[in-house]
Amino acid sequence: GAGVSQSPRYKVAKRGQDVALRCDPISGHVSLFWYQQALGQGPEFLTYFQNEAQLDKSGLPSDRFFAERPEGSVSTLKIQRTQQEDSAVYLCASSFHRVNTDTQYFGPGTRLTVL
Amino acid sequence: SQQGEEDPQALSIQEGENATMNCSYKTSINNLQWYRQNSGRGLVHLILIRSNEREKHSGRLRVTLDTSKKSSSLLITASRAADTASYFCAITGTASKLTFGTGTRLQVTL
Repeated sequence: GAGVSQSPRYKVAKRGQDVALRCDPISGHVSLFWYQQALGQGPEFLTYFQNEAQLDKSGLPSDRFFAERPEGSVSTLKIQRTQQEDSAVYLCASSFHRVNTDTQYFGPGTRLTVL
Repeated sequence: SQQGEEDPQALSIQEGENATMNCSYKTSINNLQWYRQNSGRGLVHLILIRSNEREKHSGRLRVTLDTSKKSSSLLITASRAADTASYFCAITGTASKLTFGTGTRLQVTL
């Protein structure tokens, strides 16, 4: 696989349920990012990993949001006790270098709908 | 919160015409990038311009950057129906994260 992949592509959850969203970055990419995109808006940063270290989680909207990347490759974004305002597209991106001038490559996203 | 604002919010042109989109931002930057997003799909990287560059070209794309005015523009020449998409600028400052603008929705009609 040449690109970033995400699963599932679509997720419908009842309010209060927990969800887990998966991101497979491009092989060898050091950096991994999660973004949240509300309908009609630009993506907003959630969190950033460099290998397995979570270096920035300033964008996580609440303590219901948790992300991990235990082996420095695949990452999971978990949302506990989902609320309707969590409905959005969750985008994952990866980049090769550590320096912040590198291009980020995005996956197709997971569209989460909370009923 | 979103730092950048794109102008116009929506743009409709005919195939063959040029499309110009503008982006303004508020903070100092290391680089500015433009992305395209087709409906319901992920973001595709178009072009990156560094803070010490003023203009960059890639195929039918031309990007300018004016750091004194904190603004950038994306020009798509000889537009095609396949260019129909939303276009976002994104800035990188001291942190590695991208801070996106609100986007311009471009519609290219035949």
